[in-house]
Amino acid sequence: DIVLTQSPVLAVSLGQRATISCRASQSVSISSINLMHWYQQKPGQQPKLLIYRASNLASGIPARFSGSGSGTDFTLTIDPVQADDIAAYYCQQSRESPNTFGAGTKLELK
Amino acid sequence: EVQLVESGGGLVQPGASLKLSCVASGFTFSDYWMSWVRQTPGKTMEWIGDIKYDGSYTNYAPSLKNRFTISRDNAKSTLYLQMSNVRSEDTATYYCTRDGGSGYYSSHWFAYWGQGTLVTVSS
Repeated sequence: DIVLTQSPVLAVSLGQRATISCRASQSVSISSINLMHWYQQKPGQQPKLLIYRASNLASGIPARFSGSGSGTDFTLTIDPVQADDIAAYYCQQSRESPNTFGAGTKLELK
Repeated sequence: EVQLVESGGGLVQPGASLKLSCVASGFTFSDYWMSWVRQTPGKTMEWIGDIKYDGSYTNYAPSLKNRFTISRDNAKSTLYLQMSNVRSEDTATYYCTRDGGSGYYSSHWFAYWGQGTLVTVSS
């Protein structure tokens, strides 16, 4: 299985930029298609899709969220961070079955 | 508005069977691949498997393939997860998810999630 590694916690100040990383144990890209997706989960809620295929904003997601990366290294950027963004963020790959998730990064206020 | 409502969770003894349901609304259910994803109390997320829009194909995480079965009833807009011989490590919140796009192939990302149903395996 493809293992996705995320830092457990990221502390950020409101109004600043948050950069959340996800590293895959092998490439999750096929040609120019990057099969990495990002989700946000607030306490007590279900996950919500933020970004699909590395850089495509899901419907209804604010433009302060963006995604980038290819191969094995991917980044979710939130700029500027708002109070409502305090949550856990998970990456997920669909390059190979089974789909796998990272362990999540908890975004905290500094 | 897309809605996915899971039910059927609860306290179950080790070795027992349990069937979860997910009723979908707000979209044409028969057009979409659907998946089950679970999240442990420690917040680890695990994809269980998916099912093609017409029910003709299923794919599972290898570690769960022998005990879990996904099915659907398009006439009832309902997705199912049959769990057998449950173990303590199956304790988790189980989410029903809808695929990112309608089409012959799954997009393999999860555009919509239900609120989840908690399964606790304990004697």
